[in-house]
Amino acid sequence: EIVLTQSPATLSLSPGERATLSCRASQSVSSYLAWYQQKPGQAPRLLIYDSSNRATAIPARFSGSGSGTDFTLTIGSLEPEDFAVYYCHQRSNWPFTFGQGTKLEIK
Amino acid sequence: QVHLQASGPGLVKPSETLSLTCTVSGASMSLYYWSWIRQPPGKGLEYIGNIYYSGNPNYNPSLKSRVSISVDTSKNQLSLNLSSVTAADTAVYFCARGYHAGRPYYMGVWGKGTTVTVSS
Repeated sequence: EIVLTQSPATLSLSPGERATLSCRASQSVSSYLAWYQQKPGQAPRLLIYDSSNRATAIPARFSGSGSGTDFTLTIGSLEPEDFAVYYCHQRSNWPFTFGQGTKLEIK
Repeated sequence: QVHLQASGPGLVKPSETLSLTCTVSGASMSLYYWSWIRQPPGKGLEYIGNIYYSGNPNYNPSLKSRVSISVDTSKNQLSLNLSSVTAADTAVYFCARGYHAGRPYYMGVWGKGTTVTVSS
């Protein structure tokens, strides 16, 4: 099973700042990695798929990069609604797995 | 617009079988993969398994001996059965649909989730 390790566990930033979240895979997942955003009491929402493609209606301030084992989600300028938990997810190998999440909180 | 709604008993006794249904409205189930994911209280996401609209389920090996996923396209429903439950199966259970036919394994549409507590 591929283990995804996200860092940091918690990221404290202010609105308008740039956020950089990392996801490292225990073995290569090629570019088969996605990012989801989850707000309290809600289901996750797909942000990025195949490492760098924004899903439908996702704002351009969200971008993804990486391949192999190291991936990054960048939020260019934080809006108040961006403070949430972010999960990476790989669909390269079965079973599909998620990272443990990064909580993005308001500083 | 497609909408997913998971439903089922909120409380299940230990050793019994958890049975959930996900009702799909606003679109056909055809040509998509359908998934179940769960989230224990205060924890991260765990992928349970998926199934193509025509059948052929895939299960997470950690649950394989206890889990069954099926689809009934005539009723527009996805089902999950998890047997011999313990307190560790207490979680919010989400159903989800693949993003689109070209990217079937990413979850593009999610239901709100249904909370299941395992307790006597």
